[in-house]
Amino acid sequence: GQNIDQPTEMTATEGAIVQINCTYQTSGFNGLFWYQQHAGEAPTFLSYNVLDGLEEKGRFSSFLSRSKGYSYLLLKELQMKDSASYLCAVKDSNYQLIWGAGTKLIIKP
Amino acid sequence: DVKVTQSSRYLVKRTGEKVFLECVQDMDHENMFWYRQDPGLGLRLIYFSYDVKMKEKGDIPEGYSVSREKKERFSLILESASTNQTSMYLCASSLRGRENQETQYFGPGTRLLVL
Repeated sequence: GQNIDQPTEMTATEGAIVQINCTYQTSGFNGLFWYQQHAGEAPTFLSYNVLDGLEEKGRFSSFLSRSKGYSYLLLKELQMKDSASYLCAVKDSNYQLIWGAGTKLIIKP
Repeated sequence: DVKVTQSSRYLVKRTGEKVFLECVQDMDHENMFWYRQDPGLGLRLIYFSYDVKMKEKGDIPEGYSVSREKKERFSLILESASTNQTSMYLCASSLRGRENQETQYFGPGTRLLVL
């Protein structure tokens, strides 16, 4: 079966750095997405990785290792508005997105 | 900016009612999707469409149908609503093409309660 694993919940402090991990087992791989979803709102696109390595976009970075079936989202200089759920999704061999259940990130002052 | 709109943010329906959820996107995207989102679970794909009049079943199509009569509009229909269809329903669209990553853009969601 296809599976995406990410921690259910994480807590971090304002101004700090947090890393949200995602491991996947899918039939094929055609890219990995990270989305942010604030409570009661739609998911919004954060990043896309299809090759190994680190993609940096402002305070957010995303890393991919295809051989390990592993990705992480790194958030720096955390702000209270970063409190949200972070969804990991992998595009499989049929180009369909397989979604993780999301990681709820709680930021404390 | 991509804009995906959904007809209602909140809906309350009775068991057995027919329910229509409408989704409209304004970016001329070929692909459109309907998901449901439940606590503790990842988004689950109900139906998707790659073109007008086309539809494909996703992972959980039972109890649902869809309609795509125009490129910009994708409707989800619950033929006879049941309590286990209480959920958040999310519509998404994406531009077709393997050269691009086919990023999906989401509407604000419809929270449906079936009593």
